[in-house]
Amino acid sequence: QITLKESGPTLMKPTQTLTLTCTFSGFSFSTSGMSVNWVRQPPGKALEWLALIYWNEDQRYSPSLKSRLTIRKDPSKNQVVLTLDNLDHLDTATYFCTHGSPSLDAFDVWGPGTMVTVSS
Amino acid sequence: QSVLTQPPSASGTPGQRVTISCSGSSSNIGSNNVNWYQHLPGTAPKLLIYSSAYRLSGVPDRFSGSKSGTSASLAISGLQSEDEADYFCAAWDDSLNGYVFGTGTTVTVL
Repeated sequence: QITLKESGPTLMKPTQTLTLTCTFSGFSFSTSGMSVNWVRQPPGKALEWLALIYWNEDQRYSPSLKSRLTIRKDPSKNQVVLTLDNLDHLDTATYFCTHGSPSLDAFDVWGPGTMVTVSS
Repeated sequence: QSVLTQPPSASGTPGQRVTISCSGSSSNIGSNNVNWYQHLPGTAPKLLIYSSAYRLSGVPDRFSGSKSGTSASLAISGLQSEDEADYFCAAWDDSLNGYVFGTGTTVTVL
């Protein structure tokens, strides 16, 4: 059974760097084609895809946020870490990590999400 | 910021059929699979439909998906009260080299 859980700070200030950790179980980075993705949802708004890291360490980023995002994996800890630089109040959102299934080509399992508020 | 366009709301009475559209372009829906997610506020989104038309195991068969050209649709037949939720479409975009989500549709059961 695949599970994911996000962790990180709940309150940040503008210009700070946000670091979020996705800790997962039930799969590993040895599975060809799999990915771990980050998606966020600002209050009352739509889901927004942020970044992914594939089993082979290949990475993709949302073009609008690429300059501020970094995604990396720590296979020894079954974790994926996302950093978002130079925070703004518009980054206030619930952040989700998801498992990208290579067979379904979809985000088949999601973490419960973690709410991050950016406020001075 | 969403690349895929959905109607903001849809509604129906119990038992009715509701259809949600998702409009994109040749770089996303036109050339890639569409997935549909159900999202209840405060919970994790759930995958309903993958590869445009396939129900995830355990998803009731009243949910169905289709795709034609640069548009996709999610249909809920035999609407039930527990279907009240937000629904999002998503697809890979070849031009953006990343995933894109729809604007989201809130379904209300009257």
